[in-house]
Amino acid sequence: AQTVTQSQPEMSVQEAETVTLSCTYDTSESDYYLFWYKQPPSRQMILVIRQEAYKQQNATENRFSVNFQKAAKSFSLKISDSQLGDAAMYFCAYRSSNDMRFGAGTRLTVKP
Amino acid sequence: NAGVTQTPKFRILKIGQSMTLQCTQDMNHNYMYWYRQDPGMGLKLIYYSVGAGITDKGEVPNGYNVSRSTTEDFPLRLELAAPSQTSVYFCASSSTGQLYEQYFGPGTRLTVT
Repeated sequence: AQTVTQSQPEMSVQEAETVTLSCTYDTSESDYYLFWYKQPPSRQMILVIRQEAYKQQNATENRFSVNFQKAAKSFSLKISDSQLGDAAMYFCAYRSSNDMRFGAGTRLTVKP
Repeated sequence: NAGVTQTPKFRILKIGQSMTLQCTQDMNHNYMYWYRQDPGMGLKLIYYSVGAGITDKGEVPNGYNVSRSTTEDFPLRLELAAPSQTSVYFCASSSTGQLYEQYFGPGTRLTVT
């Protein structure tokens, strides 16, 4: 079965600094997609960034970028110029044709 | 455009009771999903649907049932509630295709005592 592992339960970053959240996954599928979701205290799940597994180029969305290493099955999220509003739970997610798996999450604290 | 709506927002059930969590989306999405999120954990897929009349099991389907009679609605039924079903339940929808973003509802916090 597919698994998604986030090895950092908590991370903290100074405002305006850069932080990287780790994610690894296990799958035997060749066609899949990877996502990072943000969940603030409001509980609303918000898509941050997505990556197609067949694309070698790393996805970027403004201050958010990923380091996708397909062979290593690694999908880390880098947040640049961290802002107070970035404080939240971050979930890595894997999606294939018949499955959707989430990691346990990383709680990010941003210090002013 | 309300997106994905869920009712109720909160509910307390006694062991053995049954209830239906409602989910409606107004984006004409084919795909709909039900997840549960236990404290300090990520989301786990309970059931999903790829269109009206079609449903399939996810990772944790035991103790739940779903139906999809219309594109808009995807109710989740709990029969014989157990304390292990205490969780926050999220409904989501997406357009056809794996890459498309899932839009989540606000969640229902369910406590079974």
